[in-house]
Amino acid sequence: EIVLTQSPGTLSLSPGERATLSCRASESVTSSTLAWYQQKPGQAPRLLIFGASSRATGIPDKFSGSGSGTDFTLTISRLEPEDFAVYYCQQYGNSKIFGQGTKLEIK
Amino acid sequence: EVQLVESGGGLVEPGRSLRLSCAASGFTFDDYAMHWVRQVPGKGLEWVAGISWNSGTRGFADSVKGRFTISRDNARNSLYLHMTSLKVEDTALYYCVKDRFLATTGCSESWGQGTLVTVSS
Repeated sequence: EIVLTQSPGTLSLSPGERATLSCRASESVTSSTLAWYQQKPGQAPRLLIFGASSRATGIPDKFSGSGSGTDFTLTISRLEPEDFAVYYCQQYGNSKIFGQGTKLEIK
Repeated sequence: EVQLVESGGGLVEPGRSLRLSCAASGFTFDDYAMHWVRQVPGKGLEWVAGISWNSGTRGFADSVKGRFTISRDNARNSLYLHMTSLKVEDTALYYCVKDRFLATTGCSESWGQGTLVTVSS
């Protein structure tokens, strides 16, 4: 079974900075089956990115996804206070595996 | 607007059963696969089960296989999770999730707010 490892576990940044979150798979993943989610405290997760790089409906272009094979990245440019949350990557398709999450906190 | 409202959670003893329900609105329910995803409070996400638009395909996580069943009633726009032989480790917030596709192979496009299941004696 594929294992997704997200790094760092916690990322401390200031508003206005750029965040780079990593998701590494234990074996090659089809790019079309990699997604990213945002979860704020007390809320359900929200789909940000699917197919590794396509933004979901209503997601601003400051969120971008990239990568292929075993290495994927979520980039958030110009951090705003509402962006501080936990982010999960997911491999979907015939199996659905989540990474353990990266907590993005205010420095 | 997509709305997914879960119900049926609560406190249950180990070994007992529980049925969760999800009422869907704001989209054509029988055009999409549906899933259950759970989260232990303060921890990560775990996919539990999925069902295709016509119930033709059903899948389960290894951790619940043989104990949980998933079903849907397209006439009632409802999704269900029947949980039996519950274990303490099944304690979690259970989310109802809409897939992007008819089949169960898409990502989790929309989420409910969850219903909490606590398994304890």
